[in-house]
Amino acid sequence: DTGVSQNPRHKITKRGQNVTFRCDPISEHNRLYWYRQTLGQGPEFLTYFQNEAQLEKSRLLSDRFSAERPKGSFSTLEIQRTEQGDSAMYLCASKPLRGPNTGELFFGEGSRLTVL
Amino acid sequence: QKEVEQDPGPLSVPEGAIVSLNCTYSNSAFQYFMWYRQYSRKGPELLMYTYSSGNKEDGRFTAQVDKSSKYISLFIRDSQPSDSATYLCAMSVLYGNKLVFGAGTILRVKS
Repeated sequence: DTGVSQNPRHKITKRGQNVTFRCDPISEHNRLYWYRQTLGQGPEFLTYFQNEAQLEKSRLLSDRFSAERPKGSFSTLEIQRTEQGDSAMYLCASKPLRGPNTGELFFGEGSRLTVL
Repeated sequence: QKEVEQDPGPLSVPEGAIVSLNCTYSNSAFQYFMWYRQYSRKGPELLMYTYSSGNKEDGRFTAQVDKSSKYISLFIRDSQPSDSATYLCAMSVLYGNKLVFGAGTILRVKS
């Protein structure tokens, strides 16, 4: 399977703990995105990388959230001191830098976070 | 007020019906318009995109954009139970780096 891969698929944690999610984009996709989706809502943009550079961050991304993409390959999203409001599906998506601008993002299946 | 408004449904229709899904938006800078389909516990996948007013057809699906009214629609003809999913509209500005999604409409097609 050469699609976007996310791990873990589901994480249950206690309030105050740190969690980290990993995303492996489609090979050679330069752009990588993190979105958050809560129940009954559409995905909300969190942050975006072009290669290893983090080019844009949403105001939704508080200082408890940090994302990295070392070497421009896989990416990690860490949430420190988790709160119950962080419970959501965290979606990773990628797209190539060049090609038709169809707006298509290739999404992974998401990492579901449950904060107790 | 959200930039993109979408009725969450659920919308329940019999197999074979024509389905109409809609979104309105407030940001006149949006130039690209997309429809994504999301099955339960899966990531969204692109169904259709367009960047101009008018209609675009792809098989049983037709996307319609009316920029003057800031209104987009997705029509599904001859709906099938396999079409049961959440349909998300999404938009971006010209050369934008992020998509703004609607809340999604849950569609159920009954056999």
